Amino acid sequence: AQTVTQSQPEMSVQEAETVTLSCTYDTSESNYYLFWYKQPPSRQMILVIRQEAYKQQNATENRFSVNFQKAAKSFSLKISDSQLGDTAMYFCAFMKRGSQGNLIFGKGTKLSVKP
Amino acid sequence: DTGVSQDPRHKITKRGQNVTFRCDPISEHNRLYWYRQTLGQGPEFLTYFQNEAQLEKSRLLSDRFSAERPKGSFSTLEIQRTEQGDSAMYLCASSSPLSNAEAFFGQGTRLTVV
Repeated sequence: AQTVTQSQPEMSVQEAETVTLSCTYDTSESNYYLFWYKQPPSRQMILVIRQEAYKQQNATENRFSVNFQKAAKSFSLKISDSQLGDTAMYFCAFMKRGSQGNLIFGKGTKLSVKP
Repeated sequence: DTGVSQDPRHKITKRGQNVTFRCDPISEHNRLYWYRQTLGQGPEFLTYFQNEAQLEKSRLLSDRFSAERPKGSFSTLEIQRTEQGDSAMYLCASSSPLSNAEAFFGQGTRLTVV
């Protein structure tokens, strides 16, 4: 069975600075996807960034980038130039290719961006 | 279409009562998912539909839980004989037919069983 571990329950960062959220996972699968989702207070979860396991290049979306280390089964999220609107719960998720959309989530990291 | 819609947003029920939640996916999405999220945890997968077919239901938490998507559009999740442990946020998500398509989530239905 696959598991996803987020070891930082809470983090804070000053506005405009950079923060990195950690995620590790355990799987014996070779074809899978990894995701970071953001869940703002009282709002729906939205996808921040996605990584396909077969791609060596780290995914980047504007201020968000990942450090995907397949051998170490590590998938960290870096947020550059943090903004107040980045305050949210961040969930790392794993999905086996062909698993009918069964996302396996970590417990989340609560990020607070301080002015 | 403004995204995945869930109704109601909040539900308080007495233990032992039945409850039903509705999810309206994004109109062109043929895949629909239900998740449960308890306090301090990430969402937990419950079930999955492709069109009207329920292709995965082994993760439903007990036989008190059932889901339907009769015409391949909206879906309902029913919990019979609710228990206090059922208190949670129930999330619905939908995605397009592409194999690695992004799942779009609704705002969820928060259930409180008293």
